[in-house]
Formats: sequence, structure tokens, C-alpha cells
Amino acid sequence: GAVVSQHPSRVICKSGTSVKIECRSLDFQATTMFWYRQFPKKSLMLMATSNEGSKATYEQGVEKDKFLINHASLTLSTLTVTSAHPEDSSFYICSAYTPGSTEAFFGQGTRLTVV
Amino acid sequence: AQSVTQLGSHVSVSEGALVLLRCNYSSSVPPYLFWYVQYPNQGLQLLLKYTSAATLVKGINGFEAEFKKSETSFHLTKPSAHMSDAAEYFCAVSDGVGGNKLTFGTGTQLKVEL
Repeated sequence: GAVVSQHPSRVICKSGTSVKIECRSLDFQATTMFWYRQFPKKSLMLMATSNEGSKATYEQGVEKDKFLINHASLTLSTLTVTSAHPEDSSFYICSAYTPGSTEAFFGQGTRLTVV
Repeated sequence: AQSVTQLGSHVSVSEGALVLLRCNYSSSVPPYLFWYVQYPNQGLQLLLKYTSAATLVKGINGFEAEFKKSETSFHLTKPSAHMSDAAEYFCAVSDGVGGNKLTFGTGTQLKVEL
């Protein structure tokens, strides 16, 4: 089956620094990638949709200058949390979609802790 | 707009008992429906999906779900619970376009007791 690799799985960073999370489709071309955020014991909230080669579309209430998304190739999308603060601590999950598929495939998630 | 309602944030069953996790959806177009399982600090694993073919969908690990349009439901069942089924379960809906952007329910924590 289709494999999506997300890296890193865990990251701890200091308040004020930036951190980059990668989402790679290993065996298929992902024209669209989605980024979700999950708060503790909560559901997944869609943050943004990125299409290869174009700007990401952010959901209402998500700060695009805070959460920078780049989808420069058909196999890689990145989420950069800029000037991270403790309230940005969360579990971030990506999913990748290829045309003709009936589902998007999820990465393993990244646990971000900002101290 | 689409939405998903999962009744019961916590469900507890005995090992060997029937598992029933409820999901109701709202969609203005024929939906695609999904059930995912999540173990602590892990990503989502797809259990099964409905994409407008057979209304009774069989998934992995003995789970199945039935799409009932008249009830706008897609409940997840398993005849006999196993300890390893203890996890968080999410129902999700997609309109099938936009690359399968998903709207998730709030999740149901399944506890399996001896």
C-alpha cells in the first residue's frame, strides 16, 4: 500500500525557535497534501491543504504566517512552525493524496513540544 | 458543508463482547465515509471505508460498518472485542473531491475489560 513518512516523530524545541516537519510520499506522487493538528484527547483539525507547486489553502483561524507550508515537489510537503510557543505544542499529522485514489494516506504524526 | 457526530466519547466493553461505535454524518453530496483507529502517540490507521459501492463494508481486524443513507449513519461493529482493540476510533467524512479532505468526528475511546 501507499506509504507516507513523516519526520521527525518527536521534536522538542525552545520557545521562539522554528521547527520544520516533513511529510513524504514514498511510493506515489502526492498532488495534494493535508496538514492536521490534534490537541490532547481531541479530534483532528484540518489546518491547511497544499497542492504541489501552488500556495497552500489555510482553514479559517489558522495563521498562515505562523504555520508555513511548502509543497515543492510531488513527494514532499513541509510544515514549519515559526517562532514556536508552548501553545503550539501538539500532535501534527499529514496525509497525502494521489489522483484516482479513494483515500488519502496518513503519516505517523509528529509530537511537537515547545518548552 | 459536512459534519460527523460520534455518540459516546467513551465506550467500555468486556473482552469477547460486541463492539458498537456510532457515527452519524451530514453531507450535501454523496459521502465517502471512513473509520480510523489511533493508538497513543501514533498516526491513523484506516479500518475501512465506504465509497459508494457495497453498503456493508468489511475492514481489517474483524471490523465492519454499514452505510445507511436513510439514517445518515455509518456505525462500526465487531462481534467479539479483543484487548488489543482498546484505542481511539475516529469516523470521518469526505465529499470525494478536493483530494479527500476529511472532516473528523470527535472520536470514541474504546476500553476493553477482562
